[in-house]
Amino acid sequence: KQEVTQIPAALSVPEGENLVLNCSFTDSAIYNLQWFRQDPGKGLTSLLLIQSSQREQTSGRLNASLDKSSGRSTLYIAASQPGDSATYLCAAPNGNKLVFGAGTILRVKS
Amino acid sequence: NAGVMQNPRHLVRRRGQEARLRCSPMKGHSHVYWYRQLPEEGLKFMVYLQKENIIDESGMPKERFSAEFPKEGPSILRIQQVVRGDSAAYFCASSPETAAVYEQYFGPGTRLTVT
Repeated sequence: KQEVTQIPAALSVPEGENLVLNCSFTDSAIYNLQWFRQDPGKGLTSLLLIQSSQREQTSGRLNASLDKSSGRSTLYIAASQPGDSATYLCAAPNGNKLVFGAGTILRVKS
Repeated sequence: NAGVMQNPRHLVRRRGQEARLRCSPMKGHSHVYWYRQLPEEGLKFMVYLQKENIIDESGMPKERFSAEFPKEGPSILRIQQVVRGDSAAYFCASSPETAAVYEQYFGPGTRLTVT
């Protein structure tokens, strides 16, 4: 059974800082891992999908890494901006469904 | 290419009424997933459907909840005799094939409030 844990639960940083969000999963037999962003009262926006054959994936200021052997993924956000404030969720597949972590609530202060 | 569409976006029902939530997958996607997000909690899987077939309903409550994805038209999540504990955001996602390999694309969600 897949379980996904995210730390920290909340993070508050000043604008411009680089930061790392952590995600761990218990079943390493995964095909991919997905990172999402959720704004308050809104839906989910897919940020990055890392296939199991990849070690990392980049999109603009975001970089996600995947280490299946240790059951970990990290989301690195460079030069954070107030507009990055949101909840960040990682999700690992379990069969055909996604198992989500509880999320990291990020606040970037201007 | 329009994204996943859900309607209504907000739904208010009194206890005991029925709620019907609709999801239109992205064009070309034949797989639909429903997730529920209770207040202050993460998203939990409910059901996975292909056209005219329920593939996995292991996350569905045993009573009052049902889902369908007909040959024509949107997928429907139906909640009968709603109770206050059903108040949540319900998200639909779609993928072109099994999500074991492909991304799931999420809709904006339907926020159900039971009064």
